[in-house]
Amino acid sequence: NAGVTQTPKFQVLKTGQSMTLQCAQDMNHNSMYWYRQDPGMGLRLIYYSASEGTTDKGEVPNGYNVSRLNKREFSLRLESAAPSQTSVYFCASRAGIDNEQFFGPGTRLTVL
Amino acid sequence: QKEVEQNSGPLSVPEGAIASLNCTYSDRVSQSFFWYRQYSGKSPELIMSIYSNGDKEDGRFTAQLNKASQYVSLLIRDSQPSDSATYLCAVNWGGGFKTIFGAGTRLFVKA
Repeated sequence: NAGVTQTPKFQVLKTGQSMTLQCAQDMNHNSMYWYRQDPGMGLRLIYYSASEGTTDKGEVPNGYNVSRLNKREFSLRLESAAPSQTSVYFCASRAGIDNEQFFGPGTRLTVL
Repeated sequence: QKEVEQNSGPLSVPEGAIASLNCTYSDRVSQSFFWYRQYSGKSPELIMSIYSNGDKEDGRFTAQLNKASQYVSLLIRDSQPSDSATYLCAVNWGGGFKTIFGAGTRLFVKA
């Protein structure tokens, strides 16, 4: 099992460009999450999907959109990238509400 | 006030000592609490989960929960240099699927 996979691993964008971060899990988990991590600020929740077909905003949703494509895949889209979105992005999944989250390897995004 | 508060550290302890990491949270409805370890440049990984008041032990790690005081802690006994990492406290907010993390505490264990 690959666990949680994310693509790409690294990306450099110019201000105003758009891109989609991809996440997939092969553990048959119901819930999936997108976080960003900035120095000194821990993990901040952007969006989450409690189950297939549902998505909800987290702490910092502005400037982002998500799609829960199916049970396996949960994508994060930046429509018009800004330098403030320079960060490391982690995708995570878990089976149920009291279960641990499994994290992907992260995407390091730089917006110039 | 941040919803999940941790002392950012760094916390420095000698090898073999007990490291004590603390976390407070502001939501009285939260029922599930987690400690994750994150090495530099890596993804977080689960250390402990705790759901009931009291202590939960797993090897060298003990998690403590006090819901009345809205406080959760992690003790690491016989600290090793390999324990040097950032420790993240996480709370299932409002008893639901939304999970809020603290900013993390950096731990250094000196050989």
